[in-house]
Amino acid sequence: DAGVTQSPTHLIKTRGQQVTLRCSPKSGHDTVSWYQQALGQGPQFIFQYYEEEERQRGNFPDRFSGHQFPNYSSELNVNALLLGDSALYLCASSSPGTGGARGYTFGSGTRLTVV
Amino acid sequence: SQQGEEDPQALSIQEGENATMNCSYKTSINNLQWYRQNSGRGLVHLILIRSNEREKHSGRLRVTLDTSKKSSSLLITASRAADTASYFCATAPGSGNTGKLIFGQGTTLQVKP
Repeated sequence: DAGVTQSPTHLIKTRGQQVTLRCSPKSGHDTVSWYQQALGQGPQFIFQYYEEEERQRGNFPDRFSGHQFPNYSSELNVNALLLGDSALYLCASSSPGTGGARGYTFGSGTRLTVV
Repeated sequence: SQQGEEDPQALSIQEGENATMNCSYKTSINNLQWYRQNSGRGLVHLILIRSNEREKHSGRLRVTLDTSKKSSSLLITASRAADTASYFCATAPGSGNTGKLIFGQGTTLQVKP
């Protein structure tokens, strides 16, 4: 049973560009959350998607947007990249109706470097 | 912003010893979770303790929760070299929350063979 799959694994972008990161949740999971983890820090919540809608959002600017598809997979888009957006981006999924009350399954992340 | 503060930031022990990590948080919670992260990759869920629980065990892991002090501890007994990783506590805030987790800055554990 595949866990959470994220692509790509690594990405290098130039300041000002746009990037799209992708996530496929664990089979049977319907809720997807995105986190940003700067080097040496704990992950910070970006937003959560459920039933194709953004259900909750953290303290991130509108440059960060997302989408959830009918098959529960999700995309994270970041526009007008800044050097400070360089981080590990983690996707997490959870099982139906639990809202993470039983813990999340995380992917291995996408390492984004902005130069 | 980070809710949790973890203590110590780094811990180095010998294989076979016990490792204790502490976490403090600021707001009311629904539950508190502990995760492990190897070499800056994905997080692995270790254990979840609900706000009405005081202690929970899973294998070599023991978690305690003191909601009056807004603190939790993770004990790893009989540590192994494979336990070398970063450990994070994460809280699920209690009110109006649909699943957001707030992570601490983590404790880096090194277990020497």
